[in-house]
Amino acid sequence: GNSVTQMEGPVTLSEEAFLTINCTYTATGYPSLFWYVQYPGEGLQLLLKATKADDKGSNKGFEATYRKETTSFHLEKGSVQVSDSAVYFCALVYGGSQGNLIFGKGTKLSVKP
Amino acid sequence: ETGVTQTPRHLVMGMTNKKSLKCEQHLGHNAMYWYKQSAKKPLELMFVYNFKEQTENNSVPSRFSPECPNSSHLFLHLHTLQPEDSALYLCASSGQGISSSYNSPLHFGNGTRLTVT
Repeated sequence: GNSVTQMEGPVTLSEEAFLTINCTYTATGYPSLFWYVQYPGEGLQLLLKATKADDKGSNKGFEATYRKETTSFHLEKGSVQVSDSAVYFCALVYGGSQGNLIFGKGTKLSVKP
Repeated sequence: ETGVTQTPRHLVMGMTNKKSLKCEQHLGHNAMYWYKQSAKKPLELMFVYNFKEQTENNSVPSRFSPECPNSSHLFLHLHTLQPEDSALYLCASSGQGISSSYNSPLHFGNGTRLTVT
């Protein structure tokens, strides 16, 4: 079946450090891939998405590239800020399940000043 | 303001109580969802409504009863819950419709933190 695996957290970084959160997926066919972010006390928000192979999603300095050959969608940011502290969820959606997103378990990021 | 409003933000209830969670969206979306978020587990999809019709029920126990009176409102009625039902319950909506793309992103509310004592 379809599934998403992302790196276990928590991840703790200093401000301005480089961030990578790994995400790999298993799916038949060609899913769309997403990163959602959940700030403390809030619901999830869409951060970025990519709908086909080699697409790069980007938003707020975050980037992720849809790599079909490695079935990956790693999240990166060149210089994190304290305000980036949150839980990050990788997810996929595959046609036929009407918006049924399959989420990873989430990776908590803490950025220290 | 996320466009999806959930009330209450926090709820404490005993195992014999009956309570309801409410979700309202002002985004003109046609699909609404209930998710359960527990510590150290992936988000669990509970129910999906599309144009007010329930299209998904992921083997959720009958002590959770959804209601969708119109495309803007979604309720989750709770009765005789167990302590393990304590979690953050998230409502979401999307522009998902019969003729819409499957790739429409979800818009989440801030959730209701439920504690069952």
